[in-house]
Order: sequence, then structure tokens, then C-alpha cells
Amino acid sequence: EVVLTQSPGTLSLSPGERATLSCRASESVSSSYLAWYQQKPGQAPRLLIYDTSTRATGIPDRFSGSGSGPDFTLTIRRLEPEDFAVYYCQQYASSLGTFGQGTKVEIK
Amino acid sequence: EVQLVQSGAEVKKPGESLKISCKGSGYSFSNYWIGWVRQMPGKGLEWMGIIYPRDSETRYSPALQGQVTISVDKSINTANLQWTSLKASDTAMYYCARLPGVVGAFDVWGQGTMVTVSS
Repeated sequence: EVVLTQSPGTLSLSPGERATLSCRASESVSSSYLAWYQQKPGQAPRLLIYDTSTRATGIPDRFSGSGSGPDFTLTIRRLEPEDFAVYYCQQYASSLGTFGQGTKVEIK
Repeated sequence: EVQLVQSGAEVKKPGESLKISCKGSGYSFSNYWIGWVRQMPGKGLEWMGIIYPRDSETRYSPALQGQVTISVDKSINTANLQWTSLKASDTAMYYCARLPGVVGAFDVWGQGTMVTVSS
């Protein structure tokens, strides 16, 4: 089973700042099958990025994904008030998917 | 509009059985995999398993194999998650979500079903 480790656990930033979230896999994730989700309190997760760098429908271009092999990054170019949330990465390189433990982006 | 609508919250006692459901609409239900994701209180997301409605092929997380059963009734566009004997540790929010293929990201999510198991 591929284990995903996200860092940092919590990111304290101000609106307008840049957020950089990391996701490291315990083994290489083939074919860049890595996704990012956003979850706000009391809501279901929402798909932001799939296949490492493709934005899902309706996702603003301030969100971008990059990386390969074991190391992946989600970047939020300029944080908007609605971006403060928990973010999860997920690998689906095999038919058994796994999630990272999440990074909370909070208002500083 | 593509939607997954889940059944309502449940409160059960340890040892009881339960089936929760997830109904798809606005798309060809049989052509997309459906997955289940668990979120225990205050914790992260946990991939449980997936099912393909067209032929009921199912994949489970090794950690949950034998603990739950995922099924589907494609005649009513509904996927199910069931337990035969609930434990307190099954208390969690359960989400269903759609995948475009056996390998894929969850692109559409249900609203979640809260299951509380308490004596």
C-alpha cells in the first residue's frame, strides 16, 4: 500500500499570500495518478486537481499542481478567504487508492 | 446536474446491522465506478473500496476487507455500504463518490451519511 505523507500539518498564512503544500509518497506513483481535494468544515471534499496538474471543472487558476515520482506539490498562488480549509492528496495509481493525512491552511 | 444523494444519518447500537445508500443521477450510472470514503470524527479521509455498477466488480481496502460489504443495484442507480455487526469504532461520516474508471480521482461526491454507533 502506498503511504502518502503531507507536510506541513498546518500552514498559517494571510489572505493574498502564497501557499505551498507537499505530498510525498512511500514509493513512486506511476503515471502521475495524484489528486488534491479541498474540504471545508461540515462539507464533503471537493476535487481540485487530478493527474498531478489538471484542474477539475470550475477550479480557479490560482490552484496549481506539480510533481512526479514520490514528490508532489499543490500551490495556491494568492490565498482568498474561501481557500482556508483542509487539503488532502490522494494517489490512485493502483485500484486501491490512499489519502494523505491532510494539511490545514488556516488564517494567520 | 450530476449528483450523488446519500441516505440520512443513522444511530445504531453495537452489534446491529446497517445499510446506507448512495443514489446517482444526471449521468450514466452504470458507466462510472462508485467509491466509499470514511472520515472518523476529527480525522482524515480513508479510502474504503469501489464498485463498478455495470458488473458489480468490487475492490476493497485490505484494512477493511471483511468488515463491510459494498453492493449496487443498477436498476435504481444506487450503491450501498453495509455492515452485519456494527462496532463503536464504525462511528464516522461516510461519503460516496464517483470515479471515471477503476483508476481515477473522485470527481463528484455525495453529501455524506453520519453513522453513530453507541450503546
